[in-house]
Amino acid sequence: DQQVKQNSPSLSVQEGRISILNCDYTNSMFDYFLWYKKYPAEGPTFLISISSIKDKNEDGRFTVFLNKSAKHLSLHIVPSQPGDSAVYFCAASAQSGATNKLIFGTGTLLAVQP
Amino acid sequence: KAGVTQTPRYLIKTRGQQVTLSCSPISGHRSVSWYQQTPGQGLQFLFEYFSETQRNKGNFPGRFSGRQFSNSRSEMNVSTLELGDSALYLCASSLQLNEKLFFGSGTQLSVL
Repeated sequence: DQQVKQNSPSLSVQEGRISILNCDYTNSMFDYFLWYKKYPAEGPTFLISISSIKDKNEDGRFTVFLNKSAKHLSLHIVPSQPGDSAVYFCAASAQSGATNKLIFGTGTLLAVQP
Repeated sequence: KAGVTQTPRYLIKTRGQQVTLSCSPISGHRSVSWYQQTPGQGLQFLFEYFSETQRNKGNFPGRFSGRQFSNSRSEMNVSTLELGDSALYLCASSLQLNEKLFFGSGTQLSVL
């Protein structure tokens, strides 16, 4: 049972436009959500996170929105740059369990066209 | 500050063999986690260690085991390798629990 789902395997956007990556989860115990970016042959790198007590967190060009009632989060990248082309993973955890165990989605490959 | 270091970078084994992968966390980090990445499956949680104690284990068979040493370095072992064990094995560390993870570049294991 996939508790964290990224239903779009790939996304293509033009440089300068907005990229929106979506993620859905099923476990209502999740209270902390993260986005990681991964280039080929490298490990994932942390991008941005959000706690369930917030509905928005912003860091430069990256903004994450959380809709708890819909169990949905999204990552907005504005403006998109060619260097943003990578696989983006959404991850969730139940922090009340004092754990670093993350449940990851299957990833979305973002291609930013120059 | 050096990042998370995983060795070896690439490994080729045959079915039935066993393998040991090594991970050195960022200096000062006490928590180490292991993940398996396969195409189409994303990253699957294997284990989590904190101060030499296994705190959490994913849904993997007993052939997968791990440990953490007093210097926070960690190893994972897979015995009786199967073709389906071919994957990228990623190690991640954090200072404490409930903190963001920093990943290594992984060990690419191919089982022939």
